[in-house]
Amino acid sequence: QQQVKQSPQSLIVQKGGISIINCAYENTAFDYFPWYQQFPGKGPALLIAIRPDVSEKKEGRFTISFNKSAKQFSLHIMDSQPGDSATYFCAANDISNFGNEKLTFGTGTRLTIIP
Amino acid sequence: EPEVTQTPSHQVTQMGQEVILRCVPISNHLYFYWYRQILGQKVEFLVSFYNNEISEKSEIFDDQFSVERPDGSNFTLKIRSTKLEDSAMYFCASTGVQETQYFGPGTRLLVL
Repeated sequence: QQQVKQSPQSLIVQKGGISIINCAYENTAFDYFPWYQQFPGKGPALLIAIRPDVSEKKEGRFTISFNKSAKQFSLHIMDSQPGDSATYFCAANDISNFGNEKLTFGTGTRLTIIP
Repeated sequence: EPEVTQTPSHQVTQMGQEVILRCVPISNHLYFYWYRQILGQKVEFLVSFYNNEISEKSEIFDDQFSVERPDGSNFTLKIRSTKLEDSAMYFCASTGVQETQYFGPGTRLLVL
C-alpha cells in the first residue's frame, strides 16, 4: 500500500515535444505529491509539487495533473529540451504526520530528449 | 540559496569496516532524513530524525545503522559493519516548516 508505481521506465521524446510521465498510488493518506529531477551523480532536486486539493499545477513548461479519485498523477513537460534529459521520480508522502513525512518514491523514468 | 551538503562525495571501504557519512542540513531546518539509492534503482527511505530522536525507520535501517546529530549543524549516518549490499548512493535530506525535502548531492559508498 505504500508503493508508488511509475511509468514508463524510459522515454525518448523529440525536442519540442511533450513528455508525459505517469504515477499511481494506493495510500489514501498521501497528501503531497512532488516530482524530483535527478541528473547523473547528483541528488534529486524538487521540480514541482501538488497537493490533492487542486487538479492541476503549472510552473513554466512543467505541469502536474492530479486525479484524486483515480489516485493518479502525471508530469507533463511541454516544449521538451535536451537539457530536460534526466531521470524523473514521482514521490508521495503524508505531510500531516509531523516528523514522519518520509517520501515514497516511484521507480523513476529516464527521459531522453533528442534533437 | 541554502543547500544540503554531504561529505565525502565518494567512500570506498572493505566489508566489515565502519563508515560514517556526514551531512550538513540547511541551517533552520528541523527534520532530517537519510535515503539510499542502489545504482539504477529508486530512492529508498532509511530513517527520519526530529527533535534529536529517530521518528521513523525503514526495515533497511537495522542494528548496523545509526544516526546522530552531534552538534547543531551536522547529521551523520554510521554503518557499523558494512556489507557488500550496502554499496549505494546515500542522500541526506532536510525540511523546515514547509513540506519540501531538500536533498544533498549524495555520498557514493562502495563496499569491497
